[in-house]
Amino acid sequence: ILNVEQSPQSLHVQEGDSTNFTCSFPSSNFYALHWYRWETAKSPEALFVMTLNGDEKKKGRISATLNTKEGYSYLYIKGSQPEDSATYLCAFCGSGGGADGLTFGKGTHLIIQP
Amino acid sequence: DGGITQSPKYLFRKEGQNVTLSCEQNLNHDAMYWYRQDPGQGLRLIYYSQIVNDFQKGDIAEGYSVSREKKESFPLTVTSAQKNPTAFYLCASSQALTGELFFGEGSRLTVL
Repeated sequence: ILNVEQSPQSLHVQEGDSTNFTCSFPSSNFYALHWYRWETAKSPEALFVMTLNGDEKKKGRISATLNTKEGYSYLYIKGSQPEDSATYLCAFCGSGGGADGLTFGKGTHLIIQP
Repeated sequence: DGGITQSPKYLFRKEGQNVTLSCEQNLNHDAMYWYRQDPGQGLRLIYYSQIVNDFQKGDIAEGYSVSREKKESFPLTVTSAQKNPTAFYLCASSQALTGELFFGEGSRLTVL
């Protein structure tokens, strides 16, 4: 069973502050790394699918970086807003190309305090 | 609008009963998945299907069964053989096995 770790488990951030959290995954047999945002009472939604070492992706105030050689990805949120409160999930896709499905971390639960 | 529909949202079952959770998608996606979430754990893969009439076991398939008779539909049956069925179940689909997942809103099963 693959080990995908996310830290921290939970995070309280003041509105307007920037924050970041980490996803660690196996550095071998890498195919892709996914990030999802899961708001309470809603479906998880994809933020990014990253495949290349050194890749950086951005969507509004949220960005992510990827280091496949050392097996980690960072998710950054700039100028946090209350609507950013959610659980952020990362998921590792091995070189089987998804033949074994994605392996999810336990998530980082982010709470933005007004 | 395109999306994934899961039903029911909440389901209560007595021990020893089989229950079936419905998952329908109108995104024309080839791949569909069932995940289970338990408190303090990541999503764990139960079954997935790449094409109609074909499906594969995930990490925790014991006590579950699926079918894929139509591209749009991927129902999950939780059988009485599943030792601890109380959980939150998420269905998802993707264009390809490597593509981003589109999720339903989930079904919460409680065994009384």
